[in-house]
Amino acid sequence: QQQVKQSPQSLIVQKGGISIINCAYENTAFDYFPWYQQFPGKGPALLIAIRPDVSEKKEGRFTISFNKSAKQFSLHIMDSQPGDSATYFCAASMTLTGGFKTIFGAGTRLFVKA
Amino acid sequence: DVKVTQSSRYLVKRTGEKVFLECVQDMDHENMFWYRQDPGLGLRLIYFSYDVKMKEKGDIPEGYSVSREKKERFSLILESASTNQTSMYLCASSPGGLSKNIQYFGAGTRLSVL
Repeated sequence: QQQVKQSPQSLIVQKGGISIINCAYENTAFDYFPWYQQFPGKGPALLIAIRPDVSEKKEGRFTISFNKSAKQFSLHIMDSQPGDSATYFCAASMTLTGGFKTIFGAGTRLFVKA
Repeated sequence: DVKVTQSSRYLVKRTGEKVFLECVQDMDHENMFWYRQDPGLGLRLIYFSYDVKMKEKGDIPEGYSVSREKKERFSLILESASTNQTSMYLCASSPGGLSKNIQYFGAGTRLSVL
């Protein structure tokens, strides 16, 4: 099973609050878990990524929490700002012979209210 | 900065037309990808290429073909456009080696097939 299930579909958060987006996967062959951020009219851009040998990675206000046994990972945005309003995609990538494959979640539209 | 340029931001075509979507990257990346983005479905991989003149089918290749004659250019071809191919098309590239999982996206081409 190569799906990546992402929730919620949309999220409204007050400025200064915590935004939490969750993802789940089935295939234990995935070995790289990136999050992409997409602003309207732009392509997705890598925000933060984690490998399954660590349980947490933090970059500024953005943190990935990774639970290998539950096959779940989540993005936490601390002190959410209106400028964080965007669509967020989780993804899972696995190494293949000669290359790799990335499966994306369905996306979460985040709106941060000022 | 890596730049992935898609030749058109918006395209309107008629059913049955042959459509070419062009993508150029300026960072000498080995890997190039074509995705389509639809609301609620995330990004789905159409085709990818790990080298010049090489192509591999992704998850939804039906109705599409690709061409990679030069390393920097990856073209997506809709042989006979249909209304169900109305979508946002995203091109991406990634380097080889340890950073191969990091994909850089273009701004997208919004295609409408009437």
